[in-house]
Amino acid sequence: AQSVTQLDSHVSVSEGTPVLLRCNYSSSYSPSLFWYVQHPNKGLQLLLKYTSAATLVKGINGFEAEFKKSETSFHLTKPSAHMSDAAEYFCVVSETGNQFYFGTGTSLTVIP
Amino acid sequence: NAGVTQTPKFRILKIGQSMTLQCTQDMNHNYMYWYRQDPGMGLKLIYYSVGAGITDKGEVPNGYNVSRSTTEDFPLRLELAAPSQTSVYFCASSYPSYTDTQYFGPGTRLTVL
Repeated sequence: AQSVTQLDSHVSVSEGTPVLLRCNYSSSYSPSLFWYVQHPNKGLQLLLKYTSAATLVKGINGFEAEFKKSETSFHLTKPSAHMSDAAEYFCVVSETGNQFYFGTGTSLTVIP
Repeated sequence: NAGVTQTPKFRILKIGQSMTLQCTQDMNHNYMYWYRQDPGMGLKLIYYSVGAGITDKGEVPNGYNVSRSTTEDFPLRLELAAPSQTSVYFCASSYPSYTDTQYFGPGTRLTVL
């Protein structure tokens, strides 16, 4: 069975400091993993994805994530937070095209 | 390109009423999806389609129906609306497979009273 756990419902960081959003997953097979961002009253936008290629994945806006099979984790990081990064972030796991499992989301606040 | 468009943006239904949520994409994507997002929760897949004439159930299909007669359109039908269907509904599309980027519409906020 597939599932996703986002370990923090809220994260606050100061502008210019690193961001870490944590995601653990459960999957019986080799999953595809995604991070999406949702700004207020907007649809979701893909930040990055892992589909069994390089374990360190670089995405848009300076975000990256590392797939760690031994830890079943796919944490999202960014070296320096920007005010525009304030949003809701979702980790997603999928084994097949008919099953996408979203985490409950992490709300990122960036303090000026 | 408009991307993925959804109508209406907001709707209030009474219990037992029916409605269709419209979704159109102009990117010639073969995959299309319908999700619902309940407050404080992640998205849940309702139905998906891999191309015109082909649809299949996702995680939470009960109370909904879909059709896909064209590549562009993927309407979601709610029959006999219930308060449990109060949610924000998102349509998305991707090409050429489910591992590719999903492009989301702006959502439809539905309230059933």
